[in-house]
Amino acid sequence: GAGVSQTPSNKVTEKGKYVELRCDPISGHTALYWYRQSLGQGPEFLIYFQGTGAADDSGLPNDRFFAVRPEGSVSTLKIQRTERGDSAMYLCASSLDGNNEQFFGPGTRLTVL
Amino acid sequence: AQSVTQLGSHVSVSEGALVLLRCNYSSSVPPYLFWYVQYPNQGLQLLLKYTSAATLVKGINGFEAEFKKSETSFHLTKPSAHMSDAAEYFCAVTKSNDYKLSFGAGTTVTVRA
Repeated sequence: GAGVSQTPSNKVTEKGKYVELRCDPISGHTALYWYRQSLGQGPEFLIYFQGTGAADDSGLPNDRFFAVRPEGSVSTLKIQRTERGDSAMYLCASSLDGNNEQFFGPGTRLTVL
Repeated sequence: AQSVTQLGSHVSVSEGALVLLRCNYSSSVPPYLFWYVQYPNQGLQLLLKYTSAATLVKGINGFEAEFKKSETSFHLTKPSAHMSDAAEYFCAVTKSNDYKLSFGAGTTVTVRA
């Protein structure tokens, strides 16, 4: 079956602009996670959804970052007033529930010029 | 809090030689430990996981890892490297029944013919 998909695969934007990154989880997975991977680093947790609600957003770096999952499936990570330091690979993962293996998508590489 | 240290950001091995990737963890409670592999332009793929059962864990593609509590280590090995093993490898830790993965910085493996 289809795995986790993320669009776009690459996004180049200018400092100060708004961006949206989309994640389509595996069908039937109630848990969804966003991670950020900076160059030379491992992924860092951003936010965890169980169903439609954000169960843990403790990893979001500041209030410019926001994520939604309105129907409990597709999620969108939104970044306002982008900064050069936001440049990274943004990874999405999903799992059956919060206690199961996380399956990762290929990521969106965000570059802020 | 859980954390992971991967010793060596780059490892180069000859085809057919032993692959050894080192991972040490710190955790205030018994951990769950994972190894993921990331091929270029692909998502993270789970190689194997330790969840407090057998200390020697076998994974996919001939990899295995041994949990050593006394050394707080979870090193990954493969007896004979193949060209297809060239990738980036991440060690990760979480608490039991927790969803938040903490990753190491990763080790890039190159395989020489």
